[in-house]
Amino acid sequence: KAGVTQTPRYLIKTRGQQVTLSCSPISGHRSVSWYQQTPGQGLQFLFEYFSETQRNKGNFPGRFSGRQFSNSRSEMNVSTLELGDSALYLCASSLVSGAPTDTQYFGPGTRLTVL
Amino acid sequence: AQTVTQSQPEMSVQEAETVTLSCTYDTSESDYYLFWYKQPPSRQMILVIRQEAYKQQNATENRFSVNFQKAAKSFSLKISDSQLGDAAMYFCAYRSRGAGANSKLTFGKGITLSVRP
Repeated sequence: KAGVTQTPRYLIKTRGQQVTLSCSPISGHRSVSWYQQTPGQGLQFLFEYFSETQRNKGNFPGRFSGRQFSNSRSEMNVSTLELGDSALYLCASSLVSGAPTDTQYFGPGTRLTVL
Repeated sequence: AQTVTQSQPEMSVQEAETVTLSCTYDTSESDYYLFWYKQPPSRQMILVIRQEAYKQQNATENRFSVNFQKAAKSFSLKISDSQLGDAAMYFCAYRSRGAGANSKLTFGKGITLSVRP
């Protein structure tokens, strides 16, 4: 079974631009979570989508948004990019949301650099 | 809100030796899960081991085992017979289990483990 895939793997943008990152979960998985990883803040939860609905949201400004499609693929969008948005963005998928035996599987990440 | 603390930023171990990575957490919840994730230099995060808070028995996965002390809110990872492939960043993580729980993981800052040949 194919793992979690994220595209693109690397991205360079300039301040003020917007960016869209994509995540394809493991086949059959319906929950997708997004995390931002930076050297200073570590791994921080952005949001989780389950069955096309946002289930939970972290403490990030409204410039960060996401959505999930009927095939469970998810996108996250960052508008008006700031230098501090440079980070590794990780996507994780799981079968359902919050189930006791559920395990999250992570993708390789998208490295975003904002100049 | 839950917090996870990994106070050691770096550790080093000799190949074939045993190393213990520390993690403490703070929560007011009684039911939750704890995890150790491994992130090798290739960046793909991999689940190493998980522990259910309601289980008193410590989880074990081959060379990896945990020491779960619920009262002390401590969750350490022991790696036995360390191998070069164990070199990575290790993250301790917390997930709620109660009603309305979702998949959100709260991570510690991580610890970089190096293995000396």
